[in-house]
Amino acid sequence: AQSVTQLGSHVSVSEGALVLLRCNYSSSVPPYLFWYVQYPNQGLQLLLKYTTGATLVKGINGFEAEFKKSETSFHLTKPSAHMSDAAEYFCAVSDSGGGADGLTFGKGTHLIIQP
Amino acid sequence: NAGVMQNPRHLVRRRGQEARLRCSPMKGHSHVYWYRQLPEEGLKFMVYLQKENIIDESGMPKERFSAEFPKEGPSILRIQQVVRGDSAAYFCASSPPLFPTYEQYFGPGTRLTVT
Repeated sequence: AQSVTQLGSHVSVSEGALVLLRCNYSSSVPPYLFWYVQYPNQGLQLLLKYTTGATLVKGINGFEAEFKKSETSFHLTKPSAHMSDAAEYFCAVSDSGGGADGLTFGKGTHLIIQP
Repeated sequence: NAGVMQNPRHLVRRRGQEARLRCSPMKGHSHVYWYRQLPEEGLKFMVYLQKENIIDESGMPKERFSAEFPKEGPSILRIQQVVRGDSAAYFCASSPPLFPTYEQYFGPGTRLTVT
């Protein structure tokens, strides 16, 4: 069974500082990995995804993530935080191996940006 | 291109009543997924449907919950005899029919409150 662990339910950074949100996964097959962002009372928006190929993935809004198989990690980073980045972030995994299936989500990390 | 639509956005039901949640996928999408989000929790996969078929219902509670995606019309998640523990946000997602991009596009959610 696959699972996702997001370290830190709340992360607080200063505006302009580096953002680092941690995600570790377990999967019995090569995984497909995703980061989603959720703003209050809204649905989820895809930030970026890893399927195959390059392990450093760039997404929207200046975010990127690196797939590290040896560490079973897919941490999300952004060099300089902006106030508009304040939201809930979810890491998710799929091990469908070529088909579509339900995603397994972590519990989320609430990102707080200090002015 | 309209996104995934869900209605109602907010639904209040008394214990014992039925709740019907509707999801219209993005145009051209024939895969639909339902997820439930409890407070302070990540999203939990419930069911994956294609037109007129339930593909994976491994996350659905065994009783009171059912889902359908008819040939015409929206997908429906039905909860019979609701209880307080059913209070949650229910999200629908959709993805394209062929060569899945592994991207699921989420709707804004229906927030169910059981009183």
